Amino acid sequence: DSGVTQTPKHLITATGQRVTLRCSPRSGDLSVYWYQQSLDQGLQFLIQYYNGEERAKGNILERFSAQQFPDLHSELNLSSLELGDSALYFCASSVEAGYNEQFFGPGTRLTVL
Amino acid sequence: SQQGEEDPQALSIQEGENATMNCSYKTSINNLQWYRQNSGRGLVHLILIRSNEREKHSGRLRVTLDTSKKSSSLLITASRAADTASYFCATDPTDTGRRALTFGSGTRLQVQP
Repeated sequence: DSGVTQTPKHLITATGQRVTLRCSPRSGDLSVYWYQQSLDQGLQFLIQYYNGEERAKGNILERFSAQQFPDLHSELNLSSLELGDSALYFCASSVEAGYNEQFFGPGTRLTVL
Repeated sequence: SQQGEEDPQALSIQEGENATMNCSYKTSINNLQWYRQNSGRGLVHLILIRSNEREKHSGRLRVTLDTSKKSSSLLITASRAADTASYFCATDPTDTGRRALTFGSGTRLQVQP
């Protein structure tokens, strides 16, 4: 158990809908990262927050947004969902803003029908 | 395109044998990390090697880094069936405009009991 929690574990929804994925980092970790893992694209970095502020942006679509709250939990919002958004979404956390060891959550499996 | 590319894509060995996986990358890095992922689960950090290090050990794991060739290898000695998983390398590039861990496509390791 990495200490990172993600909810929900599974999500099935329809095209055009909007969903919110939630992540609670390890106690004491200030950085949260979001990744998307699909069969054709592999593991893609989406976005990073550090202590409530956006730190780095990766291959995140404009339809996707994220935020980190004062209690350091983070949410990833996916809107206008398309079939191609079906994937595993991972959250990871680390103590610092730098890119050292990251601790991954169990992931949320999103299926868009 | 992926910063890190693992080779081979898949590897099948017998329990007790050694497994070697390679990773090549394209740009200068601060560090290179190896992660393990059991099917459908979150990634688990295995080992981090900094750009000024050439070799690092952790239990049955041995990692080498050759920055002149932009390559790394992960050796798992005396493999066990429980080592069956996908293994990813991740690089932390020095390019400050792209500060994010970039993961390779992974090597699927199957250890036959």
